[in-house]
Amino acid sequence: GAVVSQHPSWVICKSGTSVKIECRSLDFQATTMFWYRQFPKQSLMLMATSNEGSKATYEQGVEKDKFLINHASLTLSTLTVTSAHPEDSSFYICSAGLRPGEQYFGPGTRLTVT
Amino acid sequence: GIQVEQSPPDLILQEGANSTLRCNFSDSVNNLQWFHQNPWGQLINLFYIPSGTKQNGRLSATTVATERYSLLYISSSQTTDSGVYFCAVITYKYIFGTGTRLKVLA
Repeated sequence: GAVVSQHPSWVICKSGTSVKIECRSLDFQATTMFWYRQFPKQSLMLMATSNEGSKATYEQGVEKDKFLINHASLTLSTLTVTSAHPEDSSFYICSAGLRPGEQYFGPGTRLTVT
Repeated sequence: GIQVEQSPPDLILQEGANSTLRCNFSDSVNNLQWFHQNPWGQLINLFYIPSGTKQNGRLSATTVATERYSLLYISSSQTTDSGVYFCAVITYKYIFGTGTRLKVLA
């Protein structure tokens, strides 16, 4: 089956710094990728839809200037958390697929901001 | 927007027991999927089940779209079944349910 990878698996950064998370589709091309955030013991919430070659679409309440998304190729989307603060600490998961009803999820990236 | 509620929120079972997890959604949907999130956070696809019943080993799922619910059955539970189970309604995006946290005791 299709595989989606994320890098890094976990990252610790200091408050005020920026961190970049990569999402790759390993054996297929994806014009659209999705980014989710999951706080401890909570559900997954969609943050934004990443579109290859165009601007990302953000869900209501998600700060686009804080969570920068770049979908530079058909196999790579990146999420940059800018000026991170402790409240940004969370588990970030991406997904990609050939169509909306057939998504494959990455293993997630655990971000801790100290 | 569509609301997706799961019950029970928490469940503790003895190994070998059976259980039923429920997913209710607030509006008509065409697609629904069940996932198991393992202790490391990886989402594992269990069933893509817009309607009807499917079975895979000890797991089976039933969706009654007209009544806006889906059920996941786990039979003869094992400790490796522990984790969080999510249903997700699929529109142009995935809308995840509130989850059921399952712990199976040896």
